[in-house]
Amino acid sequence: GQNIDQPTEMTATEGAIVQINCTYQTSGFNGLFWYQQHAGEAPTFLSYNVLDGLEEKGRFSSFLSRSKGYSYLLLKELQMKDSASYLCAVREIMNTGFQKLVFGTGTRLLVSP
Amino acid sequence: ETGVTQSPTHLIKTRGQQVTLRCSSQSGHNTVSWYQQALGQGPQFIFQYYREEENGRGNFPPRFSGLQFPNYSSELNVNALELDDSALYLCASSPDRAHEQYFGPGTRLTVT
Repeated sequence: GQNIDQPTEMTATEGAIVQINCTYQTSGFNGLFWYQQHAGEAPTFLSYNVLDGLEEKGRFSSFLSRSKGYSYLLLKELQMKDSASYLCAVREIMNTGFQKLVFGTGTRLLVSP
Repeated sequence: ETGVTQSPTHLIKTRGQQVTLRCSSQSGHNTVSWYQQALGQGPQFIFQYYREEENGRGNFPPRFSGLQFPNYSSELNVNALELDDSALYLCASSPDRAHEQYFGPGTRLTVT
């Protein structure tokens, strides 16, 4: 089975840095994704990690430790528009070769002035 | 914009009815996955189609079924609607089974 945990809600101030953690237990791990989702909209792709380490993309960075089943998304220089839900998703590969994304429940981030 | 479109945007149905939701994949994408997202939850995987064949399925009952057409557009059909089927239904297309998925804007289904 699979289990993905992330905090339900976080708050931060404009211009600050926030780290959103995600822990997972899964079989057939084949990568971890972070998506941003504004209320009522579709998730949009932010980052992808398949090897251990840090991936940086502008104000967003994502880290993965496969041995610990742990990832985080780091958002720097927070802006009001970063207020959204952030979804951690693990890609699982089955023994048939089929791959699917398993999502956490999401972390709702509120950025205040 | 991901190039993935879904219709309709919103839909209201009555318990026991049937519904068909549609998805048009991004050009060149041969894989489509469907997800159900209840309020305050993450998307839950329903099934995936690859080159017109069902490629994998999540924990959803058989009254959830789908189709993928030769142009790789897709349908999700739900029979005997229940109140708990009220959710945002997302489709996501990808260039192949192992690549990142691009989500459409979703269809908001309300069952009364």
